[in-house]
Amino acid sequence: DSGVTQTPKHLITATGQRVTLRCSPRSGDLSVYWYQQSLDQGLQFLIHYYNGEERAKGNILERFSAQQFPDLHSELNLSSLELGDSALYFCASSVDGVQETQYFGPGTRLLVL
Amino acid sequence: QQQVKQSPQSLIVQKGGISIINCAYENTAFDYFPWYQQFPGKGPALLIAIRPDVSEKKEGRFTISFNKSAKQFSLHIMDSQPGDSATYFCAASASGAGSYQLTFGKGTKLSVIP
Repeated sequence: DSGVTQTPKHLITATGQRVTLRCSPRSGDLSVYWYQQSLDQGLQFLIHYYNGEERAKGNILERFSAQQFPDLHSELNLSSLELGDSALYFCASSVDGVQETQYFGPGTRLLVL
Repeated sequence: QQQVKQSPQSLIVQKGGISIINCAYENTAFDYFPWYQQFPGKGPALLIAIRPDVSEKKEGRFTISFNKSAKQFSLHIMDSQPGDSATYFCAASASGAGSYQLTFGKGTKLSVIP
């Protein structure tokens, strides 16, 4: 158990809908990273938040957005969902802005029908 | 552009054998190279990591070899066990930009047969 929690574990929704994925980092970790894992693209970085502020964006679609709240939990919002958005979404946390171990949560499996 | 190339895609090794997974990178700004292990239904978990100031790092049965000039690094699993059967990802990140997002290889599915 990494100490990172993600909810929900599974999510099934329809095209065009909007969903919110939630991540609680390990106690004391200020950084939250979001990654998408799909069969064709592998694990890809989406976005990084550090202590409530956006630090970096990767291959994140404009339909996707994220935020980190004062209690350091983070939410990834996916809107106007398409079939191709079906994937595993992981968040990872690390202590601070220092380059070190990222601890991954168990992921949220999203299926868009 | 795939910045970290990983091979092979899949690997079958007999119990007790050596598993070798290779990765190559393009971005010379990368200065941290972790390996992650992922079991089905779980998130990736850090196995071992190396920085380019050393050429080899060993932790138990797991060893990373790093060749900075060739921009390649590899994972060796000695005395492979059935419990090592998982998908392994190499990754890389660059310091200095305030964010240490990981760039992953495509993964290697390792099967260790008894």
